[in-house]
Amino acid sequence: DGGITQSPKYLFRKEGQNVTLSCEQNLNHDAMYWYRQDPGQGLRLIYYSQIVNDFQKGDIAEGYSVSREKKESFPLTVTSAQKNPTAFYLCASSPGTGRQPQHFGDGTRLSIL
Amino acid sequence: AQKITQTQPGMFVQEKEAVTLDCTYDTSDPSYGLFWYKQPSSGEMIFLIYQGSYDQQNATEGRYSLNFQKARKSANLVISASQLGDSAMYFCAMRGRFGAQKLVFGQGTRLTINP
Repeated sequence: DGGITQSPKYLFRKEGQNVTLSCEQNLNHDAMYWYRQDPGQGLRLIYYSQIVNDFQKGDIAEGYSVSREKKESFPLTVTSAQKNPTAFYLCASSPGTGRQPQHFGDGTRLSIL
Repeated sequence: AQKITQTQPGMFVQEKEAVTLDCTYDTSDPSYGLFWYKQPSSGEMIFLIYQGSYDQQNATEGRYSLNFQKARKSANLVISASQLGDSAMYFCAMRGRFGAQKLVFGQGTRLTINP
């Protein structure tokens, strides 16, 4: 089955630690995205990538970093500079054409120890 | 800048009734797209329906339809014959600048279907 796989499902971060969230897609989509969702809120865009080896900051990129070395993979690193990382993180992909929806993974819940 | 407003934090509806979830938007782009997603308590985002700004007819997908009023900048989701499984968060989203494919989301509406 084609889809988006996020891992791990739950992640705990210690103070001063960087953590990396994995996102892999086998939909052959060009574009990939990372969103953050806080309780009872909508999604906010962290980073997005429209093509391999290229990515752009979204609305809340501070304290996060990404890479796009392969079409299938778009990992997100939450750095120690992100002071309030506790949230639900969703990865998405899309073919890059207007009418096509973004497809989402099942998300990763990140908490502070 | 694009903005989505969902003014109903929560809605309670009896099973089998129709329900309308409100969404208003703001954009200066002449071409845009509007999406509705469902998020069950498990967290995944499920795409429901899409409306393009130049589409001549309102979009429909099974029990879902979109009441698109371009002049009023509203794109309300209508769910007919609601079911217990429709209980979830519902998000309205707008595709941003053409080519970037970024989505701007509203705050969401929590829909609860009562038996």
